[in-house]
Amino acid sequence: AQSVTQLGSHVSVSEGALVLLRCNYSSSVPPYLFWYVQYPNQGLQLLLKYTSAATLVKGINGFEAEFKKSETSFHLTKPSAHMSDAAEYFCAVSDNNFNKFYFGSGTKLNVKP
Amino acid sequence: DTGVSQDPRHKITKRGQNVTFRCDPISEHNRLYWYRQTLGQGPEFLTYFQNEAQLEKSRLLSDRFSAERPKGSFSTLEIQRTEQGDSAMYLCASSSGTAYGYTFGSGTRLTVV
Repeated sequence: AQSVTQLGSHVSVSEGALVLLRCNYSSSVPPYLFWYVQYPNQGLQLLLKYTSAATLVKGINGFEAEFKKSETSFHLTKPSAHMSDAAEYFCAVSDNNFNKFYFGSGTKLNVKP
Repeated sequence: DTGVSQDPRHKITKRGQNVTFRCDPISEHNRLYWYRQTLGQGPEFLTYFQNEAQLEKSRLLSDRFSAERPKGSFSTLEIQRTEQGDSAMYLCASSSGTAYGYTFGSGTRLTVV
């Protein structure tokens, strides 16, 4: 069975500070991992994905994530937070055919001025 | 192409009424998915279609729920005899079958009163 766990339902950082959102996965096979962002009353937008190529994955808006098999983690980082980064972030793992995504419960990021 | 469209954006209904939602996928995508997102949770997979064939249904999709995709184009999700527990955001996504091509719509927010 595949699942993801996001530690911290709420994270608050100051503008310009490092953003770190945590995600751990459970998968019986090599996983495909994703980070999505959701703004209020909107759908989900893909930030980045890991599909067994480079372990450090760069995404949109300055975000990146590192796949660490030994730690079963795929944490999302951004060196310097911007006010526009305030949103909810979801980590997800998919089946091999990208037909079903299993999402974590989400982390709401608050950016303080 | 304007992406995945969902209609309506918001629906308020009385308990016991039937509701129907529509999803128009990206035109060249042959796969279509429905997810449900309750408050404070990540999206949960409900069902998916490849062309007009419904290939998988989650246990979350009770007998009161039915989804169709006639002619392999748009899809409808109907909920009969709505209950308060059905209140959620219903998200549609379409895909070409690759990790890049999974695109979510903005969702339909259902409130059952």
